[in-house]
Amino acid sequence: SYELTQPLSVSVALGQTARITCGGNNIGSKNVHWYQQKPGQAPVLVIYRDSNRPSGIPERFSGSNSGNTATLTISRAQAGDEADYYCQVWDSSTAVFGGGTKLTVL
Amino acid sequence: QVQLVQSGAEVKKPGASVKVSCKASGYTFTSYGISWVRQAPGQGLEWMGWISAYNGNTNYAQKLQGRVTMTTDTSTSTAYMELRSLRSDDTAVYYCARVPGLAVAEFDYWGQGTLVTVSS
Repeated sequence: SYELTQPLSVSVALGQTARITCGGNNIGSKNVHWYQQKPGQAPVLVIYRDSNRPSGIPERFSGSNSGNTATLTISRAQAGDEADYYCQVWDSSTAVFGGGTKLTVL
Repeated sequence: QVQLVQSGAEVKKPGASVKVSCKASGYTFTSYGISWVRQAPGQGLEWMGWISAYNGNTNYAQKLQGRVTMTTDTSTSTAYMELRSLRSDDTAVYYCARVPGLAVAEFDYWGQGTLVTVSS
């Protein structure tokens, strides 16, 4: 079965740029979606189909996908960006989630 | 605005069944699918399956085949997920999420979640 690998945690200084990676075999050939989940809340879609932002998501959130790695980039990180982030793809009609990355804003 | 409102928390004994509902509003129900995703305490997201609200076609995670059934009621724009033969490791928050009809689509709106606790 297809697997997605994310770092357990990423730290970023306030106002700096955070990058969260999602590794998978030839993931560049798939559409990658990213979700933000704050404690006690449902996930929220922040990037869809590699690099598209839903309405209401700040321009500070961007995504890229190539080769074996997809990346979620959060520019000018704010305290409110502290959350768990999950990548997700479809493989053989099955949705697959990465294990999640906890983003800490210092 | 799009809303998915789920039923309330449940406590079940091992071996029992649970049925969670997800009432949709703010869009044409039959133009989208619904996926169910669960999250055990302190753990990540696990996809359970998908149902087309258009024709009722389903696709379940292999791990849950035989124990899960997803249905829809188009007259009330409500999706249901039933899980049988509950075990302690089924304790989780269960989410419904809307899925545009593409095979590679994102989960663009989520319900608030339903906590299911399995305990003797």
